[in-house]
Amino acid sequence: DIVMTQSPDSLAVSLGERATINCKSSQSVLYSSNNKNSLAWYQQKPGQPPNLLIYWASTRESGVPDRFSGSGSGTDFTLTISSLQAEDVAVYYCQQYYSTPYSFGQGTKLEIK
Amino acid sequence: QVQLVESGGGVVQPGGSLRLSCAASGFTFSSFGMHWVRQAPGKGLEWVAFIRYDGSSRYYADSVKGRFTISRDNSKNTLYLQMNSLKTEDTAVYYCAKVQQQLVDYFDYWGQGILVTVSS
Repeated sequence: DIVMTQSPDSLAVSLGERATINCKSSQSVLYSSNNKNSLAWYQQKPGQPPNLLIYWASTRESGVPDRFSGSGSGTDFTLTISSLQAEDVAVYYCQQYYSTPYSFGQGTKLEIK
Repeated sequence: QVQLVESGGGVVQPGGSLRLSCAASGFTFSSFGMHWVRQAPGKGLEWVAFIRYDGSSRYYADSVKGRFTISRDNSKNTLYLQMNSLKTEDTAVYYCAKVQQQLVDYFDYWGQGILVTVSS
């Protein structure tokens, strides 16, 4: 089974500053057939279901602000918020969809400093 | 617009059963794989089960294998999760989630979730 580990567990960033969340998989999630990484990022605000931000490690979902970006390959991935806005306060999760059982990271709680 | 609405949650004693439903609308339900994902109170997300668009393949987390059964009725645009032999650790909000593409299991739409509480 693939284990997803995020760092840090929590993060406080000033408004307008950059926020960076890391996600590491216990084995590569790179699909050799299409040379894409099977890694998604979600944002979850209190009392709401998760919201898809990024898939294939770096493809932004339609409607997601361009201050959100994803990068990485193989086993190491990063979600970056280039200029933190107040509405970005949430818990962020990475998810691998390379193989079952699909798995999520433990979550990173992002707050305003 | 895509809507996923869960129902059937509630309080059940350990060892009991519940069946969750997820009513789908706004897309061609019979063309997309569907998943259940759960979240224990104050905890992270845990994938539970998947069913292929035509019901021909199903996969489960080890934590629920042999106790939970995922199914679908494409004529009713509804996804189900039959939960038997429930344990206290199954207490969670259960979300149904839709895949965006065939054979690619990330989730572009989620229901609002339904709470299942297993307690004596």
